[in-house]
Amino acid sequence: DVKVTQSSRYLVKRTGEKVFLECVQDMDHENMFWYRQDPGLGLRLIYFSYDVKMKEKGDIPEGYSVSREKKERFSLILESASTNQTSMYLCAAGRTNSYEQYFGPGTRLTVT
Amino acid sequence: GIQVEQSPPDLILQEGANSTLRCNFSDSVNNLQWFHQNPWGQLINLFYIPSGTKQNGRLSATTVATERYSLLYISSSQTTDSGVYFCAVTRNTDKLIFGTGTRLQVFP
Repeated sequence: DVKVTQSSRYLVKRTGEKVFLECVQDMDHENMFWYRQDPGLGLRLIYFSYDVKMKEKGDIPEGYSVSREKKERFSLILESASTNQTSMYLCAAGRTNSYEQYFGPGTRLTVT
Repeated sequence: GIQVEQSPPDLILQEGANSTLRCNFSDSVNNLQWFHQNPWGQLINLFYIPSGTKQNGRLSATTVATERYSLLYISSSQTTDSGVYFCAVTRNTDKLIFGTGTRLQVFP
C-alpha cells in the first residue's frame, strides 16, 4: 500500500506567519494533491502536481502556493496565514491515469 | 461539472445491524472510490470500484456505471465503523470530486 505522511497532525500559527505543510509519499507516484476540508463545504482541491516542478491550480488556490522539488515531496505554503485558513489539510498521492488516490493522516491547522 | 450526491446524510445504527449507503453521480465516470474518514480525520481507502462488485470482509460495494450509482454495504456493523463515508469520482482527469458524505454512528 502507498504510505503518505504529513509533517504535523496539529499546528497552531499566528495571523501573518508563513506556514509550510509538508507531505511525503513512499511509492513513486507521479501525482500529488492538497485538499482542505471544512464543515459544510466538504473536501476542496487547492493544488495538485503531476510531476516534479509541475503544478496546477485546483478549485481554491487563492492564498496558497506549492512546491515540488522532489517526486516524493509536495509542500503547501501559506504565504501569510489568515484566520479563514483555519482548516483540516489533507494530502494525497496517486498514479497518473490510475485515478486512485491515497491520503495522508491530515493536518489540523489553527490560525489565531 | 459532475455532481455527486450521497444518501442518507446521517445514519444511526446499533452494533450488529446492516446498512446500505448510496452514491449517485450525474455523468459517466472513469473512477469511483469509497473512503472512510475515521474520527481522527484520516481518509482510509475502502474500494476502488469504477464498475462491478467487490468485497472486503464485512464491507462490499457495487457500482452500476450505466445507471450512475454505487452502493456500499456494511454488514454486522461495529462501533469502529463509525465515521463519515465518502464516495469520490473522476472523469477524464486525475482530480477527485467528492460527495457530501454519510455520517455513520454505531452504538453498542
